[in-house]
Amino acid sequence: NAGVTQTPKFRVLKTGQSMTLLCAQDMNHEYMYWYRQDPGMGLRLIHYSVGEGTTAKGEVPDGYNVSRLKKQNFLLGLESAAPSQTSVYFCASTSGPRNYGYTFGSGTRLTVV
Amino acid sequence: SQQGEEDPQALSIQEGENATMNCSYKTSINNLQWYRQNSGRGLVHLILIRSNEREKHSGRLRVTLDTSKKSSSLLITASRAADTASYFCATGDDQTGANNLFFGTGTRLTVIP
Repeated sequence: NAGVTQTPKFRVLKTGQSMTLLCAQDMNHEYMYWYRQDPGMGLRLIHYSVGEGTTAKGEVPDGYNVSRLKKQNFLLGLESAAPSQTSVYFCASTSGPRNYGYTFGSGTRLTVV
Repeated sequence: SQQGEEDPQALSIQEGENATMNCSYKTSINNLQWYRQNSGRGLVHLILIRSNEREKHSGRLRVTLDTSKKSSSLLITASRAADTASYFCATGDDQTGANNLFFGTGTRLTVIP
């Protein structure tokens, strides 16, 4: 049982390049989330999904897009990377609408130069 | 911002001592959760306390919740070197029903062997 798997683990992009971060979970969870973690800022919610085919904006959605075509996968896209998007990105999932803990992936460290 | 705030930002103790971390938040909540993050890793769910609960135990962890003061505390008893990590509180969203969690900035705990 792998839990939540994120790929890639590390990436360096040049300003203006695009990329997609992949999150896959094998726990049949309905709810999935993308967070970014910056020093001194804690984790901030980018986008989330409450089920296959649905997505919604979180606290800091600008510059990112997401898709949830399959229940087990949640993709985070950067269309035109900026240095301000240098961060560690975490995906998480959970099974229920309330009172359930999250399972996190191990993160993707992205540097935009 | 809906983020909570942990206090202290950093804590250093000797092995065997107890560690107490506090969390304050701003909005109404369904639940409050605590997570641990080892350096360079993803977050791991420790414990969840619902808004109608005042205290909860799990092994060496004790969590209290005071909704009138919008605060929570995490107590780790008989600390071990392996407890060295960052600890985050997260409040469960009471608005959208999407189980969004809003994380604080964390307490960095160092347990000295």
